[in-house]
Amino acid sequence: EIVMTQSPATLSVSPGERATLSCRASQSVSGNLAWYQQKPGQAPRLLMYGASTRATGFPARFSGSGSGTEFTLTISSLQSEDFAVYYCQQYNNWPPFTFGPGTKVDIK
Amino acid sequence: EVQLVESGGGLVKPGGSLRLSCAASGLTFSYAWMNWARQAPGKGLEWVGRIKSIPDGGTTDYAAPVKGRFTISRDDSKSTLYLQMNSLKTEDTAVYYCTTCGADCYSDYWGQGTLVTVSS
Repeated sequence: EIVMTQSPATLSVSPGERATLSCRASQSVSGNLAWYQQKPGQAPRLLMYGASTRATGFPARFSGSGSGTEFTLTISSLQSEDFAVYYCQQYNNWPPFTFGPGTKVDIK
Repeated sequence: EVQLVESGGGLVKPGGSLRLSCAASGLTFSYAWMNWARQAPGKGLEWVGRIKSIPDGGTTDYAAPVKGRFTISRDDSKSTLYLQMNSLKTEDTAVYYCTTCGADCYSDYWGQGTLVTVSS
């Protein structure tokens, strides 16, 4: 089973600042990596797939990069609506489709 | 617009059973591959299992913690996905989400979830 790790666990950022979230896989997942955004009391929402393709409805301030075992989600200028928990998930080697433990982005 | 609406959650005793449903609309359900995922209170996301479309074989895969206890099925005539959960354990307490599989099966649409509580 591929193990996904994310860092940091919590990221405190001021509005307007840049946020950089990391996701690492225990073995290569090629580019088959998705990111999800989850706000309190809501279901997760697909943010990024194929490591770098934004899902419908997300603005260009969100960008993804990486391949193999190292991935990054960058939010270029945090807005109030971006404070949430972000999960990565590999869908290259399955079952199972493993999720990372999440990074909480909160207000500094 | 794709909509997924889960139902059937509730309180059940350890060792009991429960069946969840997920009613889908806004998509050609019969061609959709579908997932179940769950989230324990205050915890992260966990993939539970997946079912392929009937044209693609209708086969299922499960996460190790639920294999042999949970069964995913579908009724394409009703555009509904099911999760039959047997021999429930306290650690199965979670919000259960149904999701659609995008290409290569990331979860591109999610329902609002239904809470299952396993407690005596």
